[in-house]
Amino acid sequence: QQQVKQSPQSLIVQKGGISIINCAYENTAFDYFPWYQQFPGKGPALLIAIRPDVSEKKEGRFTISFNKSAKQFSLHIMDSQPGDSATYFCAAPSDSNTGKLIFGQGTTLQVKP
Amino acid sequence: NAGVTQTPKFRILKIGQSMTLQCTQDMNHNYMYWYRQDPGMGLKLIYYSVGAGITDKGEVPNGYNVSRSTTEDFPLRLELAAPSQTSVYFCASLPSMGEANYGYTFGSGTRLTVV
Repeated sequence: QQQVKQSPQSLIVQKGGISIINCAYENTAFDYFPWYQQFPGKGPALLIAIRPDVSEKKEGRFTISFNKSAKQFSLHIMDSQPGDSATYFCAAPSDSNTGKLIFGQGTTLQVKP
Repeated sequence: NAGVTQTPKFRILKIGQSMTLQCTQDMNHNYMYWYRQDPGMGLKLIYYSVGAGITDKGEVPNGYNVSRSTTEDFPLRLELAAPSQTSVYFCASLPSMGEANYGYTFGSGTRLTVV
């Protein structure tokens, strides 16, 4: 079973700071790497995603950096806000034809006011 | 659109009991999935379906069963509940490959406790 390793497990950041979450994957064959955001008591929701043919994708305060040679990708949250406090999951496709995802272990982010 | 609806939201089962977790989507999505979420473990795939009448095992299928008689419904059956099945269960859907690119729509989850 392919793995996606996510770190750190938890993160505390002051309001206005930068939150950084890292993921490493094993299989280089796949073409889409999404990040999900989950608030307490809710299901995860797609936050942002990247294809490995680009090194960076930015949407508002959220940026994914992708390093194909190192098989790593990171989520950066700029100007972190208390409303960003949530659990974040990275994921990678399990194969190319079933839509199955392998999720990282999750990072619980707390942004302090 | 309701999206993906899961029922019940909470349930306590005794060891050895059985139950069905319901999942319904109204988006005409072909692909559906059941994941379980345990603290510090991420989400693990239990079963999935790529269309009505087609189901297959995921990473952690033991103790569970599914059926997919319609596009809309994908119930998860727990037989002989065990404490190891205490978890939060999420159902998710995806239109099809080539569309929405792994942007799952998740339900709000079922929190199950087996005592």
